[in-house]
Amino acid sequence: DSGVTQTPKHLITATGQRVTLRCSPRSGDLSVYWYQQSLDQGLQFLIQYYNGEERAKGNILERFSAQQFPDLHSELNLSSLELGDSALYFCASSPTIEGTGGRIAEKLFFGSGTQLSVL
Amino acid sequence: DQQVKQNSPSLSVQEGRISILNCDYTNSMFDYFLWYKKYPAEGPTFLISISSIKDKNEDGRFTVFLNKSAKHLSLHIVPSQPGDSAVYFCAASNRNAGGTSYGKLTFGQGTILTVHP
Repeated sequence: DSGVTQTPKHLITATGQRVTLRCSPRSGDLSVYWYQQSLDQGLQFLIQYYNGEERAKGNILERFSAQQFPDLHSELNLSSLELGDSALYFCASSPTIEGTGGRIAEKLFFGSGTQLSVL
Repeated sequence: DQQVKQNSPSLSVQEGRISILNCDYTNSMFDYFLWYKKYPAEGPTFLISISSIKDKNEDGRFTVFLNKSAKHLSLHIVPSQPGDSAVYFCAASNRNAGGTSYGKLTFGQGTILTVHP
């Protein structure tokens, strides 16, 4: 158990709909990441939050948005869904390395993912 | 543009033998590399990492080798065990891009390792 919780585990929806994926990071981790894994693709970085603020953005579509709340949980919102959005969405968190002035560890702890199927 | 590539989709090995998983990268700015292992229905878990200032890092049965000039790294598992059967992902990051980029990893497509008893 990585300590990162993602809900729901599975989500089936129709094209054009909007869904919200939820992530609770490990206790004490301030950094949250979202990754997408499509068929035959490696994990693609979407977005990173640190203590409530957006820190880095990857190839995230404009139809997608995310936020991190004061309790550090994060949500990924996917709207106007298309068939190609079907994928496994992972959330990860990482600790800040003590004594480094806030450097975040690359050692990510991943949740078990949300499998999104758009029909 | 696939900056991190794992050209072998799958690898099959006999128990007790060596497993060698390979990874190539194209971005010369990458300076930190990691391997993750993923079992079905679970998220990836960190296995081992290496900084670009080193060419080898060992942790028990797992050793990662880095050849910067060739932009190539490999993961050696010796001896391989059936419990090692999983998908292995290679990942890279650019620490010089600044602290906010840590954790923004670029992953390969993964290699499915099957270790036969």
